[in-house]
Amino acid sequence: AQSVSQHNHHVILSEAASLELGCNYSYGGTVNLFWYVQYPGQHLQLLLKYFSGDPLVKGIKGFEAEFIKSKFSFNLRKPSVQWSDTAEYFCAVNVSGGSYIPTFGRGTSLIVHP
Amino acid sequence: DTEVTQTPKHLVMGMTNKKSLKCEQHMGHRAMYWYKQKAKKPPELMFVYSYEKLSINESVPSRFSPECPNSSLLNLHLHALQPEDSALYLCASSHKTSGTYEQYFGPGTRLTVT
Repeated sequence: AQSVSQHNHHVILSEAASLELGCNYSYGGTVNLFWYVQYPGQHLQLLLKYFSGDPLVKGIKGFEAEFIKSKFSFNLRKPSVQWSDTAEYFCAVNVSGGSYIPTFGRGTSLIVHP
Repeated sequence: DTEVTQTPKHLVMGMTNKKSLKCEQHMGHRAMYWYKQKAKKPPELMFVYSYEKLSINESVPSRFSPECPNSSLLNLHLHALQPEDSALYLCASSHKTSGTYEQYFGPGTRLTVT
């Protein structure tokens, strides 16, 4: 079964700082990759997804992620964060052609100070 | 319409009560899911319905009883819950249960068991 690791559990940044949240997965086959965001008191929203093709994926709100197959990674980036990016961020993986249920990482809590 | 709706938004119930959570989607998705989420934790899968049939039950206690009356509706019947069942209950749907499809999440029902 696949597993997902998010090594940054808590991240605190000032506005305009750059963001990179790590996500590593363990599965040797073809995977689908997702980043979800959960703003305080709100529901999970899909930020971006990777199924195939260009490994650099652009999402909503200026986020992007890069799939590096050799490193089993799908790190989330944003060049300049805003206070409104304060949220929980979850990486998720499912196996293409296999188990359709995504495995979620434990999440990263991001706090952005104005 | 890419929306999953859930009612009620908040629910407070005693341990002897019977209540139901409702989820609805009109995207033509044939897979629907119930998740339980504790604060700042990833969602935990409870049940999966595929084409209105229960396909996965993640060893959930029988005090939680899912029901899928039709392809657009998903219910979760609650009876004799415990205080530790207090959580955010999320419904999600996806196009199918296999292939490269992402999940769409509803806003959740915040359940408090007293």
